Amino acid sequence: DTAVSQTPKYLVTQMGNDKSIKCEQNLGHDTMYWYKQDSKKFLKIMFSYNNKELIINETVPNRFSPKSPDKAHLNLHINSLELGDSAVYFCASSQGGALYEQYFGPGTRLTVT
Amino acid sequence: GENVEQHPSTLSVQEGDSAVIKCTYSDSASNYFPWYKQELGKGPQLIIDIRSNVGEKKDQRIAVTLNKTAKHFSLHITETQPEDSAVYFCAAVYTGNQFYFGTGTSLTVIP
Repeated sequence: DTAVSQTPKYLVTQMGNDKSIKCEQNLGHDTMYWYKQDSKKFLKIMFSYNNKELIINETVPNRFSPKSPDKAHLNLHINSLELGDSAVYFCASSQGGALYEQYFGPGTRLTVT
Repeated sequence: GENVEQHPSTLSVQEGDSAVIKCTYSDSASNYFPWYKQELGKGPQLIIDIRSNVGEKKDQRIAVTLNKTAKHFSLHITETQPEDSAVYFCAAVYTGNQFYFGTGTSLTVIP
């Protein structure tokens, strides 16, 4: 069974569109994350979220918003997509927050044309 | 500003040789330092981690050392194998549970 899954794996869309990436974890973890990996392989945390607290990286544009329908899911919504949003987006989860091992999904490659 | 510096950005070694990757951090309150390995087309995976009350930790061919005074930590891989080829990321957790990855090291092990 896949521990952390993301859909879709690839997403190609045009500038200005709104899109969502879904993430599900079946590990029973209490904290989930979204990361952005750019073309130079730099990994940057965008959000961390548990049922009590959302921590937003201050550099993330407010066009990006995480939505958690339940503890096992953390979806990423992106409004008004821009060329610079093209990247690979990873979802991850951990039990107990950032001081413990994070389990990553396989990534979603977003291409904005 | 808050960041984690990682060196080198690329590293090539002959199979069987050792590889060393170094990271420095800026928040003296940091107390958790994991290392992740990312294979092509996959998400990062934890390979070893160390907490601030420990100076060194070893797991088979992989070891991590931490120098809190100097605010740097290193990953050591001995007897490298082709399957060790990947991108390696160090990370540090700063005050307030802020998680930062290093800039990554692309390791190539030449058979």
